[in-house]
Amino acid sequence: SYDLTQPPSVSVSPGQTATITCSGDKLGGKYAHWYQQKPGQSPVLVIYQDMKRPSGIPERFSGSNSGNTATLTITGTQAVDEADYYCQAWDSSTRGVFGTGTKVTVL
Amino acid sequence: EVQLLESGGGLVQPGGSLRLSCAASGFSFDSYGMSWVRQAPGKGLEWVSAIGGSGVGTYYADSVKGRFTISRDNSKNTLYLQMNGLRAEDTAVYYCAKDAAPHSGAYLDHWGHGSLVTVSS
Repeated sequence: SYDLTQPPSVSVSPGQTATITCSGDKLGGKYAHWYQQKPGQSPVLVIYQDMKRPSGIPERFSGSNSGNTATLTITGTQAVDEADYYCQAWDSSTRGVFGTGTKVTVL
Repeated sequence: EVQLLESGGGLVQPGGSLRLSCAASGFSFDSYGMSWVRQAPGKGLEWVSAIGGSGVGTYYADSVKGRFTISRDNSKNTLYLQMNGLRAEDTAVYYCAKDAAPHSGAYLDHWGHGSLVTVSS
């Protein structure tokens, strides 16, 4: 099976940059997507196709994907960005795979 | 506005069956793939199953293959997940999600609020 690994937690001070990684075999050859989930809420798409932002997502969210690692970057992190973040890709059999999830804490 | 409303969750005994429904509105339902994603209490997201917009092409996670069946009724704008042989480890909130493409395998751009399934005796 295809696995995506994320760090369990990332801490960041307000206004600083949060970097969340997602590692998987040859992930750079697939599209990576990112979802934000706040407590008690449904996931929200924040980055799709490696680096594109859906309408309504702030510019401080950006993404990249190369080699075995996709990265979600939050520049100028705000308290409202505190949430769980999940990367996602599709394996060669058109089965979805989510990363293990990263809890972002804004200290 | 895209809306996805899940229903059909509840408490079921191990080995039992349940059918989840997801009523969709605000978009051309038959033009997009759909997925089910679940989240066990306090755990991360787990992709469960996907289906193409026309209903052709269904895909399952290994953990549910042979027990769960995804289907859709495009005349009713409704997605289904028939769950048989339920186990305690199937306990989770089940979300339906809209794919951004006619087939499955793009990205999930809209999500429902979820339906809780509890498998317990």
